[in-house]
Amino acid sequence: DIQMTQSPSSLSASVGDRVTITCRASQSISSYLNWYQQKPGKAPKLLISAASSLQSGVPSRFSGSGSGTDFTLTISSLQPEDFATYYCQQSYSTPFTFGPGTKVDIK
Amino acid sequence: QVQLVQSGSELKKPGASVKVSCKASGYTFTSYAMNWVRQAPGQGLEWMGWINTNNGNPTYAQGFTGRFVFSLDTSVSTAYLQISSLKAEDTAVYYCAREGSGSYPDYWGQGTLVTVSS
Repeated sequence: DIQMTQSPSSLSASVGDRVTITCRASQSISSYLNWYQQKPGKAPKLLISAASSLQSGVPSRFSGSGSGTDFTLTISSLQPEDFATYYCQQSYSTPFTFGPGTKVDIK
Repeated sequence: QVQLVQSGSELKKPGASVKVSCKASGYTFTSYAMNWVRQAPGQGLEWMGWINTNNGNPTYAQGFTGRFVFSLDTSVSTAYLQISSLKAEDTAVYYCAREGSGSYPDYWGQGTLVTVSS
């Protein structure tokens, strides 16, 4: 199985900050990497697919990059509604494993 | 618009069974596979497996074989997750999520909380 790791596991940031979250796969997954945002008590929401493809309706302050084993999610200017937990997931091969998550909270 | 509506919360005793439903609307049900994802209290997301909605063929992740069964009723565009011989550690929110055409879960149900307690 492909293992996914994320760093940091949590971070505190202020509104307007630039935030970067890293996701690493245990083997190459090409660009089969997705990013989700989850708020407490809610279902995950797909933000980015295929490493860098922004989903319709997702603000342009979110961006994704990377290929192979190393990926990043960047929020260019953190907004109050962005405080949440972020998960990466590989869709290269089953089981489609998720990373452990990165919790972004208010500084 | 695409919607996945799941059945309500369940409280079950250890050893019992539960069946969670996921009703799809707004798209052709048999054109997209359906994923199932578990989230234990305070924990991360765990991919349980998926089911091919065209032929009903399920794929289970390790750790979700035996007591977990994915099924379909295509006549009502609904996917099901059945868990038998429930244990306390099955307590979690279970999500269904459509497998989009780009090979990623794009639309998610609202989640169903299954609580197993004596």
